Amino acid sequence: QVQLQESGPGLVKPSETLSLTCSVSGSSISTYYWSWVRQPPGKGLEWIGYIYHSGITNYNPSLKSRVTISVDTSKSQFSLRLNSVTAADTAVYYCATQYCSGRNCDPTMFDYWGQGTLVTVSS
Amino acid sequence: DIQMTQSPSTLSASVGDRVTITCRASQSISSWLAWYQQKPGIAPKLLIYDASSLQSGVPSRFSGSGSGTEFTLTISSLQPDDFATYYCQQYQSYSYTFGQGTKLEIK
Repeated sequence: QVQLQESGPGLVKPSETLSLTCSVSGSSISTYYWSWVRQPPGKGLEWIGYIYHSGITNYNPSLKSRVTISVDTSKSQFSLRLNSVTAADTAVYYCATQYCSGRNCDPTMFDYWGQGTLVTVSS
Repeated sequence: DIQMTQSPSTLSASVGDRVTITCRASQSISSWLAWYQQKPGIAPKLLIYDASSLQSGVPSRFSGSGSGTEFTLTISSLQPDDFATYYCQQYQSYSYTFGQGTKLEIK
């Protein structure tokens, strides 16, 4: 059973960088795609991006210019950095696994989720 | 991006009712669709994947169907624990998108 736990500051100032870490237990980091999904208060879900253990990344085109996802296999952690934040980036941020399916190991549905962490962008 | 549109946005129903939620994709996504249940303050929970496969541990009253651009999630007999918000998600493209959600309320 994969367990995920987000950590990081709950308050970030406008124009600064949001940084979150997801700690993984119950599974090797060398399995799955490791993803970030966010949810603004009272709104729907938005996929941010993923990283594979090999270091391959894929980002939401709408956020691509501001996002970096990295992985530290030695610590069983992966991280999110989002630059130049504004109030529109205020959201609950979830880390999640994307199941690898098929011969090509394509990322698919989100099967395990962290509990989520609220990040507020405000001065 | 592939746009996912759910209907209705809100659904009022009673315990024991059979309910259906629809999700439409802006282009064909074959059967690459998942459904999630989310309760307030809790992370989404995977219910259905590949349009109709039930995730392990999910009650059999939940079922999914469809392919191409139109999909449905059906709950055969609503239980008190089922009142929540439901989202569909496509994984046809490498830019994953969700529907806007359907809130299932107690009538």
